[in-house]
Amino acid sequence: DTEVTQTPKHLVMGMTNKKSLKCEQHMGHRAMYWYKQKAKKPPELMFVYSYEKLSINESVPSRFSPECPNSSLLNLHLHALQPEDSALYLCASSPLPGGTSTDTQYFGPGTRLTVL
Amino acid sequence: AQSVTQLDSQVPVFEEAPVELRCNYSSSVSVYLFWYVQYPNQGLQLLLKYLSGSTLVESINGFEAEFNKSQTSFHLRKPSVHISDTAEYFCAVSPPPGSGNTGKLIFGQGTTLQVKP
Repeated sequence: DTEVTQTPKHLVMGMTNKKSLKCEQHMGHRAMYWYKQKAKKPPELMFVYSYEKLSINESVPSRFSPECPNSSLLNLHLHALQPEDSALYLCASSPLPGGTSTDTQYFGPGTRLTVL
Repeated sequence: AQSVTQLDSQVPVFEEAPVELRCNYSSSVSVYLFWYVQYPNQGLQLLLKYLSGSTLVESINGFEAEFNKSQTSFHLRKPSVHISDTAEYFCAVSPPPGSGNTGKLIFGQGTTLQVKP
């Protein structure tokens, strides 16, 4: 298995809803990432997990809450989002975590989120 | 700190013509370099990467990029494009090990390649 999967593909939610995005990889990668991408813009890093521990939080608002239950799974819990949070949310993984080495990130197809 | 500049926001080209997408980076230390492609309504796919060794790297679908350290460039080229190459292309750099910013990809603003029939 050489891919990163994300569910759901599309999500529409109201500002009072609670929802979760899911990301999964079975490549044995030990680093996982959440990115937010607005239309016609590059991805913006939100969170990095290394060995299931949060290593980077790019000052993301608390209405976004990441979780890494195990080395294959990464969740992003959403609560009380704003319309400006509408975007494509991308998950990525890499074989080695940041730290003493650098490696290639492999991206999932993304979840298209619309906040009404 | 590192930065990436993609000099062209849009590149229109006719099918079967050659194309070059330009990427320049700024860094006082060695970096790793990547090109990612994003087809409409999809995630990013790794196209090719330069980590070390030969400065010319190739992808399986006919793209190539050349690392030029003196010019701090990593331009992407294809001798003959197809309609299916229409996509957004992102150049990215990865900070060197031990810099404290590892785990971060620094992206350029992207170049939209529009291949016309």
